[in-house]
Amino acid sequence: AQTVTQSQPEMSVQEAETVTLSCTYDTSESDYYLFWYKQPPSRQMILVIRQEAYKQQNATENRFSVNFQKAAKSFSLKISDSQLGDAAMYFCAYVDDKIIFGKGTRLHILP
Amino acid sequence: DVKVTQSSRYLVKRTGEKVFLECVQDMDHENMFWYRQDPGLGLRLIYFSYDVKMKEKGDIPEGYSVSREKKERFSLILESASTNQTSMYLCASSLLNNGRIDIYEQYFGPGTRLTVT
Repeated sequence: AQTVTQSQPEMSVQEAETVTLSCTYDTSESDYYLFWYKQPPSRQMILVIRQEAYKQQNATENRFSVNFQKAAKSFSLKISDSQLGDAAMYFCAYVDDKIIFGKGTRLHILP
Repeated sequence: DVKVTQSSRYLVKRTGEKVFLECVQDMDHENMFWYRQDPGLGLRLIYFSYDVKMKEKGDIPEGYSVSREKKERFSLILESASTNQTSMYLCASSLLNNGRIDIYEQYFGPGTRLTVT
């Protein structure tokens, strides 16, 4: 069965610094999708970034980028120039014919 | 602007009560989902629906049922609420693609925090 592991329950980063959130997954499938979602405090969850497994190029969205290592089954999220508004719970999700979320990483931004 | 709304932000119910959680989306999405979110456990899928009157069990369907009579509305029903169903419930919707559960972005509602006493 597929699993998704976020090994860092909480992380802190200084404002304007760079932080990397880790996500590993286990699957025997070759065709799947990976997502990072952000859940700010008391606000709705929103998509941060999406990666198709068949694409070798790492996805980027402004200050957010991923390091997708298919062979290692790793999908980390890098946030550059961290801002106070980046403080949130971040969830990694794996999707093929089912969707599986990790347990989340709570990110604190230190002013 | 994309919108998923849930009928209540906070709800307090007694053990044994029948509870209805309503979710409405205005994006004409085929897929709709119900999750529960618990600290340290992340999001767990309860049920999803890819069409009107269609439903599929997720990872933790026990104690829950769902109803989708209209495309825009997806209801989660707790037939007899129990204290272990105290949780945050999130509804989401997305486009359907070739029968796959979801390769598109999911749009989430604000959540309903349910307390069962």
